[in-house]
Amino acid sequence: GAGVSQSPSNKVTEKGKDVELRCDPISGHTALYWYRQSLGQGLEFLIYFQGNSAPDKSGLPSDRFSAERTGGSVSTLTIQRTQQEDSAVYLCASSLGMRADEQYFGPGTRLTVT
Amino acid sequence: AQSVAQPEDQVNVAEGNPLTVKCTYSVSGNPYLFWYVQYPNRGLQFLLKYITGDNLVKGSYGFEAEFNKSQTSFHLKKPSALVSDSALYFCAVRDGNTGFQKLVFGTGTRLLVSP
Repeated sequence: GAGVSQSPSNKVTEKGKDVELRCDPISGHTALYWYRQSLGQGLEFLIYFQGNSAPDKSGLPSDRFSAERTGGSVSTLTIQRTQQEDSAVYLCASSLGMRADEQYFGPGTRLTVT
Repeated sequence: AQSVAQPEDQVNVAEGNPLTVKCTYSVSGNPYLFWYVQYPNRGLQFLLKYITGDNLVKGSYGFEAEFNKSQTSFHLKKPSALVSDSALYFCAVRDGNTGFQKLVFGTGTRLLVSP
């Protein structure tokens, strides 16, 4: 079946502009996660959605970052007033929602802020 | 809070030789442990996990990992490496005793298998 999809695959933006990154999880997966992977770094957790529960936003680095998940499916990560340090690969993952479940990752969006 | 350490930035091994990629963890409750692999310009792919039961777990592409509670380790192994195994490997942990679902990842280990 279809995996997690993300769009765009690459995004180049000017400093100060807003960007939106999209994630389409696997159908039936109730949990959705956003991570950030910077060059030479591991994965940094950003935000987690589980069903209709309030999202866990504990990993968002600043109030310029926000995310929403509409209808329990598609999610959008928005970065306002982008800065050069926001340049990274943004990865989305989904899972069935149980603690023992593995996460399935999308191919990522490479964001470059010039 | 949980944490993961991957002490080696890079592991070099010759094709056909056994490989080990090290991972140690810290978690207050029962550990749920995962290994993921990332090929160039690709997302992460799930390899295997330990939740409970047999300490030796087998996963995709001939990989296995051994859970060692006393040493708080979960090293990834393969008896005979392939050049195509060259990739970036991440270990991750979640606390199985809480409702918190965040996976904490290590910084990754690059595996380079030479022909």
